[in-house]
Amino acid sequence: DAGVTQSPTHLIKTRGQQVTLRCSPISGHKSVSWYQQVLGQGPQFIFQYYEKEERGRGNFPDRFSARQFPNYSSELNVNALLLGDSALYLCASSLVGPRVTFGSGTRLTVV
Amino acid sequence: DQQVKQNSPSLSVQEGRISILNCDYTNSMFDYFLWYKKYPAEGPTFLISISSIKDKNEDGRFTVFLNKSAKHLSLHIVPSQPGDSAVYFCAAAGAGANSKLTFGKGITLSVRP
Repeated sequence: DAGVTQSPTHLIKTRGQQVTLRCSPISGHKSVSWYQQVLGQGPQFIFQYYEKEERGRGNFPDRFSARQFPNYSSELNVNALLLGDSALYLCASSLVGPRVTFGSGTRLTVV
Repeated sequence: DQQVKQNSPSLSVQEGRISILNCDYTNSMFDYFLWYKKYPAEGPTFLISISSIKDKNEDGRFTVFLNKSAKHLSLHIVPSQPGDSAVYFCAAAGAGANSKLTFGKGITLSVRP
């Protein structure tokens, strides 16, 4: 069975640009969450979606947005990129509850 | 404010010996705790978890202990193996079905052959 898949794996963007990251959850998983991991830190919660509805939002600016599609895949959008947005972005899915399965992440570099 | 703290950034252990990884939390609303392991260029993988109604959970070489009064948990790996060398994250969740996890900064474990 396929795990959580994320695309692209690596991305380089310029300050001020916009980026869209994509995630496909494990088949049957209806909950998708997004995390940001900067170097030397643990993953930090950004969003959770369940059945296409936002169920939680972390302490991130409005430049960050996300959505979930009818097939439960998800996109994370970041506008007006800053150098500090450079990080590993992790998508995770779960059936229910806090035990989530992570994808391998998208490494975003903002220059 | 760091609600989940892993105060030791690294740990080095001889193969075959016990590894003890510690984690402290401050939020008394947390009631479910997880350990994830992360290799470079991979996402974190689930290792073991414990509910606040228990004080111990065991899975093979891995045991997690929870001390609610001290707001402290620990992961014991015995015997340690070189393949266990990775970054270990402690994470906590509150009650409810949502999957918001609060992570610590992680501990880098090195198991020497």
